[in-house]
Amino acid sequence: DAGVTQSPTHLIKTRGQQVTLRCSPKSGHDTVSWYQQALGQGPQFIFQYYEEEERQRGNFPDRFSGHQFPNYSSELNVNALLLGDSALYLCASSLGPGQGEGETQYFGPGTRLLVL
Amino acid sequence: RKEVEQDPGPFNVPEGATVAFNCTYSNSASQSFFWYRQDCRKEPKLLMSVYSSGNEDGRFTAQLNRASQYISLLIRDSKLSDSATYLCVVRRGYSTLTFGKGTMLLVSP
Repeated sequence: DAGVTQSPTHLIKTRGQQVTLRCSPKSGHDTVSWYQQALGQGPQFIFQYYEEEERQRGNFPDRFSGHQFPNYSSELNVNALLLGDSALYLCASSLGPGQGEGETQYFGPGTRLLVL
Repeated sequence: RKEVEQDPGPFNVPEGATVAFNCTYSNSASQSFFWYRQDCRKEPKLLMSVYSSGNEDGRFTAQLNRASQYISLLIRDSKLSDSATYLCVVRRGYSTLTFGKGTMLLVSP
């Protein structure tokens, strides 16, 4: 049973560039949430996708956008990168509402983004 | 005031010690509570959910006090492998998890 996978594992970009991160949820899960974890901080919620739509969004600017595909995998896009976007980007998958075990979010290994 | 606050530590304890972590949350509408463990440069992993009645899983005991908006985690008989950062997490509504900054635990031989 495959867990949550993310790609790439590491990425280096320069200010102003754009980046796309990818996530495949745990088998059987249909909901994907994205988090940003800066060094020394806890993860911060970016947004969540369910049924190919953004259901909830945290306090992040519009430069952060996402997408969910029919196979439930998801992408996180960040435009006009800033130095402060350097962080570990975590994807978590879970079951959608009303499907039981909805509370538990399983995290992928993350993508470590460095913006120079 | 941050929504979830934890003492960042580090807590340095010898093997076999008992250690307790505390966490407070500010939003009384929070519905579910968890402790996650995060090893260095790894993803967070669910350690245990926290219930008002308290719950225990082996050497780990979690408590929730809704009136005081306070959550605790007790680790008995600490092992070297318990060294990690412990994240206090609350949830409002269905899905959004709010994390504390984490408390670092270092268990030494």
